[in-house]
Amino acid sequence: QVQLVQSGAEVKKPGASVKVSCKASGYAFTNYAFTWVRQAPGQGLEWMGWISAYNGRRNYAEKLQGRVTMTTEKSTSTAYMELRSLRSDDTALYYCARLGMDIAAMPTGGFDYWGQGTLVTVSS
Amino acid sequence: DIQMTQSPSSLSASVGDRVTITCQASQDISNFLNWYQQKPGKAPKLLIYDASNLETGVPSGFTGSGSGTDFTFTISSLQPEDVATYYCQQYDNFPWTFGQGTKVEIK
Repeated sequence: QVQLVQSGAEVKKPGASVKVSCKASGYAFTNYAFTWVRQAPGQGLEWMGWISAYNGRRNYAEKLQGRVTMTTEKSTSTAYMELRSLRSDDTALYYCARLGMDIAAMPTGGFDYWGQGTLVTVSS
Repeated sequence: DIQMTQSPSSLSASVGDRVTITCQASQDISNFLNWYQQKPGKAPKLLIYDASNLETGVPSGFTGSGSGTDFTFTISSLQPEDVATYYCQQYDNFPWTFGQGTKVEIK
């Protein structure tokens, strides 16, 4: 069965970086893409970006441009999200999720499988 | 950015009631709209994709409709296990955006 298993909780100081992993299993890794969504405590969902596991094509939310990098590693079927220059308002639960790709290798449809979430706390 | 406005922000209904949530996009998004359910302490779950398609394994009591800027999500008969926050999400244009969520409770 499809599973996405994320790395454990992190506590970081302002200005530091964090890298969250998302290990996929149960399906053909390069046939799909990943998206990352975060949720601040008590708040709604915020889309961060997506990356194709097929060709590495990606798109990031403009507000995170320059601070976020999404990558995939085919050899281990793992997606990564790195966020730099952390601030207190980056404190959130970070989710990876899978999404399909169309014939042009562009993302399509809904986020059908989700990881369990990784809590990132930014505090001095 | 495309703004997604859900209504209401919260609702309380009785078991067996029909529940309807609306989602309005700030511009035409065709049918590039999904609906998710998030229970407390859990990851979101995809219920409806492309405005009206039921995700595999999701009970048929959940339905979605609409296109363009106006969309509707319906629970035909509210059950205790449906207590959750529901989100719409557009993927017509980057950045993809979510509605602010609708919290559904049992009266």
